[in-house]
Amino acid sequence: DAGVTQSPTHLIKTRGQQVTLRCSPISGHKSVSWYQQVLGQGPQFIFQYYEKEERGRGNFPDRFSARQFPNYSSELNVNALLLGDSALYLCASSLGTGDYGYTFGSGTRLTVV
Amino acid sequence: EDQVTQSPEALRLQEGESSSLNCSYTVSGLRGLFWYRQDPGKGPEFLFTLYSAGEEKEKERLKATLTKKESFLHITAPKPEDSATYLCAVHPFTRQLTFGSGTQLTVLP
Repeated sequence: DAGVTQSPTHLIKTRGQQVTLRCSPISGHKSVSWYQQVLGQGPQFIFQYYEKEERGRGNFPDRFSARQFPNYSSELNVNALLLGDSALYLCASSLGTGDYGYTFGSGTRLTVV
Repeated sequence: EDQVTQSPEALRLQEGESSSLNCSYTVSGLRGLFWYRQDPGKGPEFLFTLYSAGEEKEKERLKATLTKKESFLHITAPKPEDSATYLCAVHPFTRQLTFGSGTQLTVLP
């Protein structure tokens, strides 16, 4: 069984550009969450989607947006990139939004120069 | 506001030298507390979920315990392959996972 897959694995962007990160959850999982992890810190919650609806949003600016597709895959978009957006972006899938474990992908390493 | 504090920030052990990692938390309404292992450049790998005070779970050389304010990850006779960052996260009933900053464990041969 495939785990959570994220693409691309690495990305370099220039300040002011826009980026789209992609995530495919484990088969049968209907919830996808996005996290940002800067070096030396724990992951910080950005969004959760379940059945294509936003179920939670962390303390991030409106430059961050996301969506979930009918096949439960998800995209995270970041506009007007700042140097501080450089981080490992993690996707986690779960069966639902309740008392379930979260399985993380290997992440997308975004570097903004 | 949910808070998770992990200590120590870094820990170096000799192979076979047992120790414990600490996770202190404050949260209103705990659904579950998670432990993850993270290798450099990789996503967190699930280890345990604990739900109530007094609960314990074991997996190979790892044992996790939970009280009302803390969780401990005990590592018995560690091996170099146990070297990683160990993350603790709380999951409140009405909010998302909040992670601590992790403990970076190095086990020397």
